[in-house]
Amino acid sequence: KNEVEQSPQNLTAQEGEFITINCSYSVGISALHWLQQHPGGGIVSLFMLSSGKKKHGRLIATINIQEKHSSLHITASHPRDSAVYICAVRWKGAQKLVFGQGTRLTINP
Amino acid sequence: DAGITQSPRYKITETGRQVTLMCHQTWSHSYMFWYRQDLGHGLRLIYYSAAADITDKGEVPDGYVVSRSKTENFPLTLESATRSQTSVYFCASSESVGGTGHNEQFFGPGTRLTVL
Repeated sequence: KNEVEQSPQNLTAQEGEFITINCSYSVGISALHWLQQHPGGGIVSLFMLSSGKKKHGRLIATINIQEKHSSLHITASHPRDSAVYICAVRWKGAQKLVFGQGTRLTINP
Repeated sequence: DAGITQSPRYKITETGRQVTLMCHQTWSHSYMFWYRQDLGHGLRLIYYSAAADITDKGEVPDGYVVSRSKTENFPLTLESATRSQTSVYFCASSESVGGTGHNEQFFGPGTRLTVL
């Protein structure tokens, strides 16, 4: 059983919609990362969180440490946001990241 | 070129052959990582390195060998390739991994390896 669970696995929406992708994990963490992988394959780090909320342009990431849950929101979604979004966590005291299986997002024009 | 690069980008080989995938970063990051990405499994850590001459196993190390004689290079060798090692391989680096430091991982473009 993957200790990092993302939902939904696939999400299709229309341009302009507000998007939410969720990530849940099983034990205490020191940090949570959100990554983006475009169809061409490249992986880009979007956010690293240990508490609270971060915003970059139309992307917002939040984390609730007590509930062991993080969300990635996209406002005013656009077809160029179509990608796989990956959540990864670093357990407390660990050096390695553990990855969720990703959420495939498709934004239709 | 600045950043993190991988070579080759595509490789086809045969079962039993030795294959080496190269990873080079120009930031002098201490940490480097090798991942494989397969459908249904997401990214899985093969090996990582905290500094030159320091390496450690990840989640799926069997069949792979790494070395890190220089900070900037972290080659991954498949000693005797098997079909199950057909995958996309990503190298990544980060300045640090703990506390509130610069823990962001920067990924290379990936190497698509096919073992026939």
